Amino acid sequence: EDQVTQSPEALRLQEGESSSLNCSYTVSGLRGLFWYRQDPGKGPEFLFTLYSAGEEKEKERLKATLTKKESFLHITAPKPEDSATYLCAATHAGTASKLTFGTGTRLQVTL
Amino acid sequence: EPEVTQTPSHQVTQMGQEVILRCVPISNHLYFYWYRQILGQKVEFLVSFYNNEISEKSEIFDDQFSVERPDGSNFTLKIRSTKLEDSAMYFCASSRSAGEKSGDYTFGSGTRLTVV
Repeated sequence: EDQVTQSPEALRLQEGESSSLNCSYTVSGLRGLFWYRQDPGKGPEFLFTLYSAGEEKEKERLKATLTKKESFLHITAPKPEDSATYLCAATHAGTASKLTFGTGTRLQVTL
Repeated sequence: EPEVTQTPSHQVTQMGQEVILRCVPISNHLYFYWYRQILGQKVEFLVSFYNNEISEKSEIFDDQFSVERPDGSNFTLKIRSTKLEDSAMYFCASSRSAGEKSGDYTFGSGTRLTVV
């Protein structure tokens, strides 16, 4: 069964304290690995899509990387406004339209 | 920036009643989706829709659920006879393509459905 697992479940950082969130996947024939940000009571907000091992994408303080088994979301010098739940999701061959989500990492950045 | 619009933002309904959740996808997108998120749980896929027909559905999407694109802009999810366990946040999403190039998979802000 396709699975997407995220760790840690929750992470508390001080402003400026860099860290990484992990997403491991067991999906046959990965087509895309997605990262979203979700604020409370809101829909997932698209951040990145990665398609092949070795690919990296950056946006402001966020950088996403992909290997054959996992993806990392690196947060450099986070600010309080980066506090949110970060979701990882995958699509795979045969069900290319369906996103399989992980449970997310709740990030809190304090002053 | 283009966005997916959902209405209403919150709906309360009695058990056994029919509800229709509405979505306006991004205008040049061709693939449309519904997901749900029960409080504290994962976002779960319900159904995908392309070229006026369902392309994929999950085991959650049983005979109580249906989707429709009644005109060129709206995409609806109907639940015929709501149950308590249908209480969740329902998200509509759209993308220009599927598969490798579905990187623009965009979600709406959701409709919180409460069944009492």
